Amino acid sequence: EDKVVQSPLSLVVHEGDTVTLNCSYEVTNFRSLLWYKQEKKAPTFLFMLTSSGIEKKSGRLSSILDKKELFSILNITATQTGDSAVYLCAVTDSNYQLIWGAGTKLIIKP
Amino acid sequence: NAGVTQTPKFQVLKTGQSMTLQCAQDMNHEYMSWYRQDPGMGLRLIHYSVGAGITDQGEVPNGYNVSRSTTEDFPLRLLSAAPSQTSVYFCASRRTVNTEAFFGQGTRLTVV
Repeated sequence: EDKVVQSPLSLVVHEGDTVTLNCSYEVTNFRSLLWYKQEKKAPTFLFMLTSSGIEKKSGRLSSILDKKELFSILNITATQTGDSAVYLCAVTDSNYQLIWGAGTKLIIKP
Repeated sequence: NAGVTQTPKFQVLKTGQSMTLQCAQDMNHEYMSWYRQDPGMGLRLIHYSVGAGITDQGEVPNGYNVSRSTTEDFPLRLLSAAPSQTSVYFCASRRTVNTEAFFGQGTRLTVV
């Protein structure tokens, strides 16, 4: 059965720290991996990754995919309180459906 | 540009009642889907549509119906509400199956 596992489930850090969120997957005929940020309402898109080893970057956020080891990481540097959210990982399977992880709840303390 | 619009934002139903959650997108996206989100679980696919007139079941379709008469609209019908359907529901659309999903603001449904 296809599955996406995120770790840790929750994380509390102080403002200014760097965090790394993990997403591992077992999905038949992987097509892409997506990261989303969810702050109390709709998930908002961060990155889509399709190729191993190519880093995607947006400001303080970056992400990379390892298709050999079947995982991705999302890094956030110099964290701010506005980064507090649930971060969701999803993988597109052979039928182009999104298989979602349970999310990592990130809390940034001032 | 409204994106994906869901209504209502909140709803309380009694067991056995029926209702329709509305979803509309103005981006001319072909692919639309409905998810439910429960605590500690990922988003689970209820139904999806790859274009007007075409719908299919997702992971958890029981108790729900959908239709797609136009590209813009994709309503979700709860036939006879049960407490197990208490959840947050999200509608999403994608331009193609290979692009990112855009989400509506969600509907928090409570069935008592």
